[in-house]
Amino acid sequence: AQKVTQAQTEISVVEKEDVTLDCVYETRDTTYYLFWYKQPPSGELVFLIRRNSFDEQNEISGRYSWNFQKSTSSFNFTITASQVVDSAVYFCALSETGANNLFFGTGTRLTVIP
Amino acid sequence: DTGVSQDPRHKITKRGQNVTFRCDPISEHNRLYWYRQTLGQGPEFLTYFQNEAQLEKSRLLSDRFSAERPKGSFSTLEIQRTEQGDSAMYLCASSYGQGHTEAFFGQGTRLTVV
Repeated sequence: AQKVTQAQTEISVVEKEDVTLDCVYETRDTTYYLFWYKQPPSGELVFLIRRNSFDEQNEISGRYSWNFQKSTSSFNFTITASQVVDSAVYFCALSETGANNLFFGTGTRLTVIP
Repeated sequence: DTGVSQDPRHKITKRGQNVTFRCDPISEHNRLYWYRQTLGQGPEFLTYFQNEAQLEKSRLLSDRFSAERPKGSFSTLEIQRTEQGDSAMYLCASSYGQGHTEAFFGQGTRLTVV
């Protein structure tokens, strides 16, 4: 059975602080994909990253970075020097081999205070 | 705008009425998904189309729900005899190709059943 846990329901940080959003997953598959999506107040989910289970290299994209560790089944997301525009709900999601859908966590609401 | 478009954005209906939502995916995308999102939760998969074929349905999709994608273009999601528990955001997403490519989401239709 698949499971995605985002234990942090809400996080508040002051602008320019760094923040890490945690994601822990469970799957029996050896091949799977992990995703992060951002959902701003407008409601549209915005794709941030996809990572397959064979690629454990960390990734950096501007102020965003992702740390994938299979040993702890975690795929954490760090925002460096946070900005007010980063305020949103962030979802981690899992897609197993042969599955046609994404299985989402419950999300973390990030508020960046100016 | 060439993103995923959903109509209407908001729908208020009385319990027992039927409602229909429309999704226009990105034009070259062969895959289309419907998800449901309730307050404070992540999106939950409802159904998936590859071109015009409905290939997968979640157990969440009761017999009051039906989805179509005629000619592999736009899709409709109909809910018959709505119940208060159907109140949620209904999200449509589309993607292109095979495998676990990124899905692009629309802004959703928020349904309120009174």
